Amino acid sequence: QLQLQESGPGLVKPSETLSLTCTVSGGSISSSSGYYWGWIRQPPGKGLEWIGSIYYSGSTYYNPSLKSRVTISVDTSKNQLSLKLTSETAADTAVYYCARQGYSIGSWYYWGQGTLVTVSS
Amino acid sequence: QSALTQPASVSGSPGQSITISCTGTSSDVGGYYYVSWYQQHPGKAPRLMIYDVTNRPSGVSNRFSGSKSGNTASLTISGLQAEDEADYYCSSYTSSSTVVFGGGTKLTVL
Repeated sequence: QLQLQESGPGLVKPSETLSLTCTVSGGSISSSSGYYWGWIRQPPGKGLEWIGSIYYSGSTYYNPSLKSRVTISVDTSKNQLSLKLTSETAADTAVYYCARQGYSIGSWYYWGQGTLVTVSS
Repeated sequence: QSALTQPASVSGSPGQSITISCTGTSSDVGGYYYVSWYQQHPGKAPRLMIYDVTNRPSGVSNRFSGSKSGNTASLTISGLQAEDEADYYCSSYTSSSTVVFGGGTKLTVL
C-alpha cells in the first residue's frame, strides 16, 4: 500500500521560501508510470487549492495563480516529491498535502496526512 | 482559474438522500469526464469518493453516486448515515491542463 509523508518547517518567515518534501513508501516513484503526483493545500477553515502536479515523465503543471512562485520536482533516488514556494506571505499559511493520482487525471487517491505551515515573523 | 461553485451547506436526516451540485464551465466540468469528489472529516486528509464523474474507488459504499449534466456535476448520497457528516469537495481537470477544486460543501446529518 502506497504511503506518503510530508515533512518540512512548520514556521516560515514572510518573504522566505517554503520547502517541503514528500517521502513515498510502499512503492517507487520511478515505477509509477502514467501517474501524476501533486501538491494541494488548505488554509485553516477553508477549502482545497490545487498547487500543481508533476507527471512521471517530469512534465509539470501549476496553478496559474501560483505559477510564478512554485516549483515541483521529483528525486527518484530518494523516492521523494518536493515543493518550493517562494516569497511567502501570510496567505500561504495552510496545511499542505502531497498526493498521487489513483485512476485518472485529477483523481487524487493516495494522500499524505498533511503538514501545517504557518507564515509569520 | 475560478473555483467550481458548490453550495456552502446541505443537510438531511438519517436514511434520506441528498445531492450536492458542482458548477463549472465548458472549460472544466462541461468539457471533460475528469470530475472527482472527495470526502473530508475534520483534521483528516481528503478521501476520493468518486472519479471520472460516476466511478467509485474500491471500498467506497454504493450509497455514493455521481452524475453530470452540462457544466454541472452532482454527488448523491443515499441512505444518509451519521458517518457521512463531513465536508465534500468536487474537482475537475481543465482545458489548461490544470486542476480546479470547488469551494466545498458541509454536510450535516440531522
